[in-house]
Amino acid sequence: GAVVSQHPSWVICKSGTSVKIECRSLDFQATTMFWYRQFPKQSLMLMATSNEGSKATYEQGVEKDKFLINHASLTLSTLTVTSAHPEDSSFYICSARDLETSGGAEQFFGPGTRLTVL
Amino acid sequence: GENVEQHPSTLSVQEGDSAVIKCTYSDSASNYFPWYKQELGKRPQLIIDIRSNVGEKKDQRIAVTLNKTAKHFSLHITETQPEDSAVYFCAAQDPPTGSARQLTFGSGTQLTVLP
Repeated sequence: GAVVSQHPSWVICKSGTSVKIECRSLDFQATTMFWYRQFPKQSLMLMATSNEGSKATYEQGVEKDKFLINHASLTLSTLTVTSAHPEDSSFYICSARDLETSGGAEQFFGPGTRLTVL
Repeated sequence: GENVEQHPSTLSVQEGDSAVIKCTYSDSASNYFPWYKQELGKRPQLIIDIRSNVGEKKDQRIAVTLNKTAKHFSLHITETQPEDSAVYFCAAQDPPTGSARQLTFGSGTQLTVLP
């Protein structure tokens, strides 16, 4: 149980275009999902906390107008990178908490999406 | 906010030896400390976790210790094997007091087990 999927697993786009990444909790409901960005040989940096039915909470330094997050249902959160530029190339990973498992302490991670902006 | 520091950044050990990775955290209210193993291009995998009401936890070759007073916790891997080679991250979680219980990650340790 507690499986999180992401789609696509990798995407290549041209500079200036927008890319949408989906994060789904397959067998549990997630009122809270998290979006991370990981550059090569670096740690996971939290970008935003996605709350079902409300606005996302962004970390300092993350542009909310550039990284649009929508959490319309208890099993789906989307991250849209708008007007992508080469510096946005990174590994984007989502996670979700399952309140039924370990009291919601553990986060379950998606497989990640490798974004390359040309 | 929470700050997690992790050492060393790289660690090489001979197969069969032990490996120890250490982390410190800044927020004394943090109460959940997971350790993740991440292989290149893959998702982080939870390998062991510990809560603040426990001082030590063990699962086969892996153990974690927590010193709340000093605000540090450590990962111990015994009898290392080549397949243990990966990047390991520690993390600390916000307490469940109205927050989203975010995880703050350490900077990672590249463990290489030499055959």
